[in-house]
Amino acid sequence: NAGVTQTPKFQVLKTGQSMTLQCAQDMNHNSMYWYRQDPGMGLRLIYYSASEGTTDKGEVPNGYNVSRLNKREFSLRLESAAPSQTSVYFCASSEDRGVGYTFGSGTRLTVV
Amino acid sequence: QKEVEQNSGPLSVPEGAIASLNCTYSDRVSQSFFWYRQYSGKSPELIMSIYSNGDKEDGRFTAQLNKASQYVSLLIRDSQPSDSATYLCAVKTLTGSDQFYFGTGTSLTVIP
Repeated sequence: NAGVTQTPKFQVLKTGQSMTLQCAQDMNHNSMYWYRQDPGMGLRLIYYSASEGTTDKGEVPNGYNVSRLNKREFSLRLESAAPSQTSVYFCASSEDRGVGYTFGSGTRLTVV
Repeated sequence: QKEVEQNSGPLSVPEGAIASLNCTYSDRVSQSFFWYRQYSGKSPELIMSIYSNGDKEDGRFTAQLNKASQYVSLLIRDSQPSDSATYLCAVKTLTGSDQFYFGTGTSLTVIP
């Protein structure tokens, strides 16, 4: 049982480049989330999807887009990367929005 | 004011002692409360959830919730060196987009 799988684990981008972070879960969870974690800031929600076909903005959505491709997959896209987007990104899923999350292993992104 | 506040620590306790971790939150209508453990360089792992006032015990862990005082705590009995990690408090609130808010975490070191 893989749980939540994120790819890639590490990435270095140049300012202005684009990339997509992939996330897939095999627990048949309805809700999926993208967070970023920065020192001293804690985990902050970027976007979430309460169910297949729906997405909503979280606390820090600017500069990001998401796609809930199907029930299993939820991707995060950076269209034009900026140094301020250097962070560790975590995907998470939950059975519904009232219960705790299962997190993926994270993506360490550096924008230079 | 942050939605969820934690003392960043570091908190050091000797092996076998009780570690006490505290968290306060600002939204009185918060509904669900969670504690996550995060080892350095790893993703957060859910260890406890609590939804109603009082204590909830799971092995060596006890979560305590006091909604009137707006705090939630985590007690770790018989602390072990393997408990050394950062502990994140998360609160589900109805403020804004009905999302979870995470504290910045408390770093715990258990000294052998």
